[in-house]
Amino acid sequence: AQSVTQLGSHVSVSEGALVLLRCNYSSSVPPYLFWYVQYPNQGLQLLLKYTSAATLVKGINGFEAEFKKSETSFHLTKPSAHMSDAAEYFCAVSDGAGTSYGKLTFGQGTILTVHP
Amino acid sequence: DTGVSQNPRHKITKRGQNVTFRCDPISEHNRLYWYRQTLGQGPEFLTYFQNEAQLEKSRLLSDRFSAERPKGSFSTLEIQRTEQGDSAMYLCASSLRGSTYNEQFFGPGTRLTVL
Repeated sequence: AQSVTQLGSHVSVSEGALVLLRCNYSSSVPPYLFWYVQYPNQGLQLLLKYTSAATLVKGINGFEAEFKKSETSFHLTKPSAHMSDAAEYFCAVSDGAGTSYGKLTFGQGTILTVHP
Repeated sequence: DTGVSQNPRHKITKRGQNVTFRCDPISEHNRLYWYRQTLGQGPEFLTYFQNEAQLEKSRLLSDRFSAERPKGSFSTLEIQRTEQGDSAMYLCASSLRGSTYNEQFFGPGTRLTVL
């Protein structure tokens, strides 16, 4: 079984500050890992994905994440927060298209607030 | 627009009524997923279709829920005898079988409120 834990349901940063959103996963098979962003009353938009190639993954809007197998972590970072980054962020794990048909297991989400 | 679309975007119903939601995936995508998202939680998997075949259903999908994808294109999710606990955002996602990472593209969701 797969699971995802996002540490911190709310993170608040100042504009221009570092953003760090934490994600730890559990998987019995080599995982595919994803970060999605959700704006109010909208669906989920893919930010980036880890698929066993480079451990440092770059995504859209200046976000990146580093896969650390020893720590079973996939934390999301952005060097300088922008007001438009305020949203809810979800970490998700999948086994690709294996026995679970690639379904995603999501964390509980982290709401990012950016202060001027 | 070639993204995933869902209709209606919002649905308010009274307890005990039946509701049906529709999802139109990206046209060449043969995999389709339904998820449910309650307030303050991440989305939870409900069911999966590959073409017209429903290959997996979550334990969350009680016998009041039924999903179809009759021609392997659009899908419907029906909830019979709605309960207040069914109030949630219902998300549809699609992906292409054979894509290396099974990247799923999400629709905007249907928000259901059961009074």
